[in-house]
Amino acid sequence: DAKTTQPPSMDCAEGRAANLPCNHSTISGNEYVYWYRQIHSQGPQYIIHGLKNNETNEMASLIITEDRKSSTLILPHATLRDTAVYYCIVRGWGSQGNLIFGKGTKLSVKP
Amino acid sequence: GAVVSQHPSRVICKSGTSVKIECRSLDFQATTMFWYRQFPKKSLMLMATSNEGSKATYEQGVEKDKFLINHASLTLSTLTVTSAHPEDSSFYICSASTGTSGRALTDTQYFGPGTRLTVL
Repeated sequence: DAKTTQPPSMDCAEGRAANLPCNHSTISGNEYVYWYRQIHSQGPQYIIHGLKNNETNEMASLIITEDRKSSTLILPHATLRDTAVYYCIVRGWGSQGNLIFGKGTKLSVKP
Repeated sequence: GAVVSQHPSRVICKSGTSVKIECRSLDFQATTMFWYRQFPKKSLMLMATSNEGSKATYEQGVEKDKFLINHASLTLSTLTVTSAHPEDSSFYICSASTGTSGRALTDTQYFGPGTRLTVL
């Protein structure tokens, strides 16, 4: 499966949009991009996933570049409760469809 | 929807004892459930895949005789840590997958809240 690269940490002001980047330059055509987050001492929470089209749900928006080599997760109005580690995962059959968690991005939302 | 529970949330046991952790999908049926382990300041590592009515598939390096997995129904999987030792102390997290097969790339995994195991 394609590996992902995320910045180790980011800060965001409360109420502003948080834009979390993810590079996946070796992604193949049938691999999906999944985003999860993990708040301290809790299980990961599913956020969103996509293949090539941009996606939006009640939690976030996922913007995937046309060449699919990178994506951005957007939290439109970050709150303090959005402070968490955010994982960008490329999911494919190379790993039997399993989720392979990397180190993610630690997002700190500050008042 | 898509709620997964785990029990217990926290357990402390003596070295050499066995501990059972339950994972339940509360509002959906899960053909496939997964067990992960997370050490402090580390990311989640997949331990095994649990399929209802069949034997679990373990990842390389995970001892199947030490970490017993049973997936007896479409809503319950259990992980038993046998003869636990201090090095087994960790955060154990399960997930359950939606979809008829549970393994399609669009079958979303929903995670439980985790179980903190401390072996003294």
